[in-house]
Amino acid sequence: AQSVAQPEDQVNVAEGNPLTVKCTYSVSGNPYLFWYVQYPNRGLQFLLKYITGDNLVKGSYGFEAEFNKSQTSFHLKKPSALVSDSALYFCAVRDLGGNKLTFGTGTQLKVEL
Amino acid sequence: EAQVTQNPRYLITVTGKKLTVTCSQNMNHEYMSWYRQDPGLGLRQIYYSMNVEVTDKGDVPEGYKVSRKEKRNFPLILESPSPNQTSLYFCASSLWAGGSETQYFGPGTRLLVL
Repeated sequence: AQSVAQPEDQVNVAEGNPLTVKCTYSVSGNPYLFWYVQYPNRGLQFLLKYITGDNLVKGSYGFEAEFNKSQTSFHLKKPSALVSDSALYFCAVRDLGGNKLTFGTGTQLKVEL
Repeated sequence: EAQVTQNPRYLITVTGKKLTVTCSQNMNHEYMSWYRQDPGLGLRQIYYSMNVEVTDKGDVPEGYKVSRKEKRNFPLILESPSPNQTSLYFCASSLWAGGSETQYFGPGTRLLVL
């Protein structure tokens, strides 16, 4: 069975500092990996995904994620955080042949002035 | 505008009173899915549909029903709601089920069952 772990319930960072939101996964075979963001009272918005190829994936709003196969990780990063980045972030995984998208429990990102 | 819509956005009901949450997409997507979001548990899949008249259970299907009579619509039915179904519900769709397809989510329906 596939699974996703987001080890931090909350991440706090000062505006202007780099941010990292961690995600590790478990699937059989090669994974497809996704990051979504949820702003208060809104649905989930797609940020970026890893399919194959370059391990560094660039997405919306200046976010990027690094795929590391040996560590089975897909951490979300941004070089300089903004207060408006404060939101709930979800990592998700699907295996190569599967039709099921499995989500992590989410990480609340709080960016303070 | 390409989107997934859900109605109602907010609903308060009482135990045992049947309700339906509608979901519609205008992207001609084959795959649609329902999730519930609960604090500390993330999103869990309730039911999904690979295409018209093809539906299957997700991880937490108990107490829910779905139907897919048209490609664009995928309603979620609670025949006899109970307080443990109080949750935030999301509908999602994608072009097809697997591979690298991105799922697009509706705005959510917040349900309170008293």
